[in-house]
Amino acid sequence: EDKVVQSPLSLVVHEGDTVTLNCSYEVTNFRSLLWYKQEKKAPTFLFMLTSSGIEKKSGRLSSILDKKELFSILNITATQTGDSAVYLCAVERGGATNKLIFGTGTLLAVQP
Amino acid sequence: GAVVSQHPSWVICKSGTSVKIECRSLDFQATTMFWYRQFPKQSLMLMATSNEGSKATYEQGVEKDKFLINHASLTLSTLTVTSAHPEDSSFYICSARRQTYSNQPQHFGDGTRLSIL
Repeated sequence: EDKVVQSPLSLVVHEGDTVTLNCSYEVTNFRSLLWYKQEKKAPTFLFMLTSSGIEKKSGRLSSILDKKELFSILNITATQTGDSAVYLCAVERGGATNKLIFGTGTLLAVQP
Repeated sequence: GAVVSQHPSWVICKSGTSVKIECRSLDFQATTMFWYRQFPKQSLMLMATSNEGSKATYEQGVEKDKFLINHASLTLSTLTVTSAHPEDSSFYICSARRQTYSNQPQHFGDGTRLSIL
């Protein structure tokens, strides 16, 4: 059975801290791994990773994929209160419809 | 700006009512759209894949007659929750991607919060 596991489930940090969120997966016919940020509404896209070892970066956020060990990490440096959200990891399966399988998410709370 | 529009954003209705939710891709054609359901403090669960011009593909355990999906055009998919009951109360989210089989992520609508009294 396909599964995507995120850790930790929740995390409380102070502004300025650096956090690392983890995502491991067991999915047949892997196509890509995606990170989304979800606040009060629907998820917003952060990164899409398809190749191992290539870091993707956007401002204070960065992410990397290890296809051999089947995991990805999302780093956030110099955290701000606006980073508080649920961070979702999803793995896209290849095939006719390219379904996404989501992890349970990591709830990040950044305190001032 | 938003690439996927979902409407309505919030619905409150009586038990037994049928509710239709629309999902539109704003500036691209989407042959495939996806419908998810999210319970409080849980992750997104795929309900069905909506295919333009053909029947939707439902995930195991999702009732086809309960959740009717129509994908009549390349920019619009609808989800109708028929004879809704309180246990159907949830957050429903649709997504679409610009092209199938390309390296494009799925983009999500803002979701519809459904409350059945």
